[in-house]
Amino acid sequence: EIVLTQSPATLSLSPGETATLSCRASQSISNLLIWYRHKPGQAPRLLIYDASNRATDIPARFSGSGSGTDFTLTISSLEPEDFAVYYCQQRAGWPLTFGGGSRLEIK
Amino acid sequence: VQLRESGPGLVKPSQTLSLTCSVSGDSITSGGYWWGWIRQFPGKGLEWMGYIYFNGDTYYNPSLKSRLIVSRNTSKNEVSLQLDAVTAADTAVYYCARALSGSYSGLFDSWGQGTLVTVSS
Repeated sequence: EIVLTQSPATLSLSPGETATLSCRASQSISNLLIWYRHKPGQAPRLLIYDASNRATDIPARFSGSGSGTDFTLTISSLEPEDFAVYYCQQRAGWPLTFGGGSRLEIK
Repeated sequence: VQLRESGPGLVKPSQTLSLTCSVSGDSITSGGYWWGWIRQFPGKGLEWMGYIYFNGDTYYNPSLKSRLIVSRNTSKNEVSLQLDAVTAADTAVYYCARALSGSYSGLFDSWGQGTLVTVSS
């Protein structure tokens, strides 16, 4: 099973700043890494697929990068709705697995 | 597409947990999608459980395969989950989700809001 480790567990920033979230895989997953945003009580939302492709209607301030085992989600010019929990997920191997999440909170 | 989970919020240990996902805005028998279940434990970790293809094929997480059945009711456009012999460790928020197939297999593009299930006597 491929283990995904996310860091930091919690990141405190102010609106307008830039967030950088990390996801590390226990083995190479090529670029088959996905990012979701999850707000309490809501459905998780697909943000980035295959490491760097923005999903439909996702603004350009969200960007993803990486390949192999190390991946990054960057959110620039943070807006109030961006403060949530972010999860990465790999689809390179079975079973599908998720990271433990990174909480982005308002400073 | 919209997905809405429903079912009992409390299940006793050793019993069977049964949930239903009502799908609107898309047919679960239209090609190209898997329909399945993901759960989130109280510590916030997510676990993919299993899903069912438009043609009825199923795929399960090996850790749950002996206890889990994902099925469908095509006339109601619903997907169901049945998890046997539950314990407190199965307490979680259960999400229904749609996943792409083919070159994008394993990519969940739509999720429900989830339903909390507590296993307790």
